[in-house]
Amino acid sequence: EDQVTQSPEALRLQEGESSSLNCSYTVSGLRGLFWYRQDPGKGPEFLFTLYSAGEEKEKERLKATLTKKESFLHITAPKPEDSATYLCAVVFSGGYNKLIFGAGTRLAVHP
Amino acid sequence: DAGVTQSPTHLIKTRGQQVTLRCSPKSGHDTVSWYQQALGQGPQFIFQYYEEEERQRGNFPDRFSGHQFPNYSSELNVNALLLGDSALYLCASSLAQGGSPLHFGNGTRLTVT
Repeated sequence: EDQVTQSPEALRLQEGESSSLNCSYTVSGLRGLFWYRQDPGKGPEFLFTLYSAGEEKEKERLKATLTKKESFLHITAPKPEDSATYLCAVVFSGGYNKLIFGAGTRLAVHP
Repeated sequence: DAGVTQSPTHLIKTRGQQVTLRCSPKSGHDTVSWYQQALGQGPQFIFQYYEEEERQRGNFPDRFSGHQFPNYSSELNVNALLLGDSALYLCASSLAQGGSPLHFGNGTRLTVT
């Protein structure tokens, strides 16, 4: 069964304390892996798409990487405004654009 | 450039009633997908519409139905509401090719009492 697992479920960081979020997946024929940020009461906001193992994408303090079994979202020197839930999702071959989501990691960054 | 817009933002219904949620896709997008997000969970795929037809469907009962109009906007209908249908309903739009990123609206919060 196609599955996406994110860890940890929740993460508390001090401002400036770098860390990584994990997304592991079991799908047949990965077509793409997506990272989204979701603020309370809002819809997910698109961050990155990764298509093949070894690929990396960066945006401000965030960097996403992809291997054959998992993806990492690295957060460098986070600020309180980075607090949100980070969602990982995959699309597999034959799935058109059907996203399979993980449950997310709730990140809280304290000053 | 308007993103994905959904209406209404909040809705309260009684068990057994029917509800219709609406979505306008991001400009240039031709594919619309609907997701259900329970509190503390990731979004779950309901179905996807392309060229006014349902292209793919998730594990949701027939009480959930939809429609896509010629201008690419879409509706989600839920009949015979159950308490368990209370959730955030998200609409996402994209281009048709697989692997294109989905852009989400801010959702409709449905409460069934």
